[in-house]
Amino acid sequence: AQSVTQLDSQVPVFEEAPVELRCNYSSSVSVYLFWYVQYPNQGLQLLLKYLSGSTLVKGINGFEAEFNKSQTSFHLRKPSVHISDTAEYFCAVWETGANNLFFGTGTRLTVIP
Amino acid sequence: DSGVTQTPKHLITATGQRVTLRCSPRSGDLSVYWYQQSLDQGLQFLIQYYNGEERAKGNILERFSAQQFPDLHSELNLSSLELGDSALYFCASSVDSGANVLTFGAGSRLTVL
Repeated sequence: AQSVTQLDSQVPVFEEAPVELRCNYSSSVSVYLFWYVQYPNQGLQLLLKYLSGSTLVKGINGFEAEFNKSQTSFHLRKPSVHISDTAEYFCAVWETGANNLFFGTGTRLTVIP
Repeated sequence: DSGVTQTPKHLITATGQRVTLRCSPRSGDLSVYWYQQSLDQGLQFLIQYYNGEERAKGNILERFSAQQFPDLHSELNLSSLELGDSALYFCASSVDSGANVLTFGAGSRLTVL
């Protein structure tokens, strides 16, 4: 069965510092990879996605992620965070042939002024 | 506004009761997915419908049921409610059954007292 591991449940970081949120998945078949963001009291918003092509994908709000097939990872990065980036971030995997997204348990990013 | 509409936003009810959550997908989307988000279980896939037919089932309890109507809106019925059913219930939609980019609604927060 597919599993998605987000290694850090909470990540505090100072404003304007870089951040990396880690995500690993287990799958023996082709996958599509996603990061979603959930701001307080809101639904999930798509941050970025990897479907094919370049392994470095850029998303909204200055975030990017790199797909590493050999490491089965899809870590999310931002070179300089803002207070407004404080939110919960979810990594998700769609296996080819599946009918739903599998989500990780989420990483709460807190940006400290 | 993601285009996926969920009602009600908040619902408080008692154990043993039954509630119905409603979802209208984004215009043009034929697939609807239901997810449950709780503190201890994270985001769990419940069920998927495509153009009125059930396509995939996840960790949905027998006390829960869903359907998608001809106008493509969907309803999630939760019965014999227990305290542990308190959670945020998300609906998401996509263009077709195999599409992997989901657009999420803002969620319905259910509190069972």
